[in-house]
Amino acid sequence: SQTIHQWPATLVQPVGSPLSLECTVEGTSNPNLYWYRQAAGRGLQLLFYSVGIGQISSEVPQNLSASRPQDRQFILSSKKLLLSDSGFYLCAWSARSRNNQPQHFGDGTRLSIL
Amino acid sequence: AQSVAQPEDQVNVAEGNPLTVKCTYSVSGNPYLFWYVQYPNRGLQFLLKYITGDNLVKGSYGFEAEFNKSQTSFHLKKPSALVSDSALYFCAVSENTGFQKLVFGTGTRLLVSP
Repeated sequence: SQTIHQWPATLVQPVGSPLSLECTVEGTSNPNLYWYRQAAGRGLQLLFYSVGIGQISSEVPQNLSASRPQDRQFILSSKKLLLSDSGFYLCAWSARSRNNQPQHFGDGTRLSIL
Repeated sequence: AQSVAQPEDQVNVAEGNPLTVKCTYSVSGNPYLFWYVQYPNRGLQFLLKYITGDNLVKGSYGFEAEFNKSQTSFHLKKPSALVSDSALYFCAVSENTGFQKLVFGTGTRLLVSP
């Protein structure tokens, strides 16, 4: 069966420090991959999505970037964190072959900026 | 562009009573509709989806949803609520063409009292 892993689960970082959040998927090949941010336990904002290695689409201009160095690995990064980057970051995958398949989410990383 | 509205921030129901969580959507063309549940500090879990066919869709944990094209609604229902159903519920929609990008509602908190 397919699984998705995100780490770390929680992270406290000072303003201006770099960031790297990692997400890996197991048990499937060629997935679509997504990064979301959830503010205040409510709505989800799509940040980035990827249909393949090295292919990244950005939904919202911001202080973050994403990379996909391997088929089942998706990384969210920042060179200098802002206070506004605080939030709950969720990674998700879906089967690429069909547009009607659900997205499956990891358990997220709670990021606090001090 | 597609959009989703969840008009209730919170729904309160007594254990054993039926529950309904409301969702309306807007898309050009035919929609793909999804319901997810989120427990505290966890990712979203997929409950059910509507792609085509029967308007009543059955999903996990006894949940079902009714697709109504004329009212552009996709309400989540359960005949008998459990205390353990207390969580945050999200409705999501995508268009049935092109790359799948889900648009999520703002979420409805369900509180089931004993």
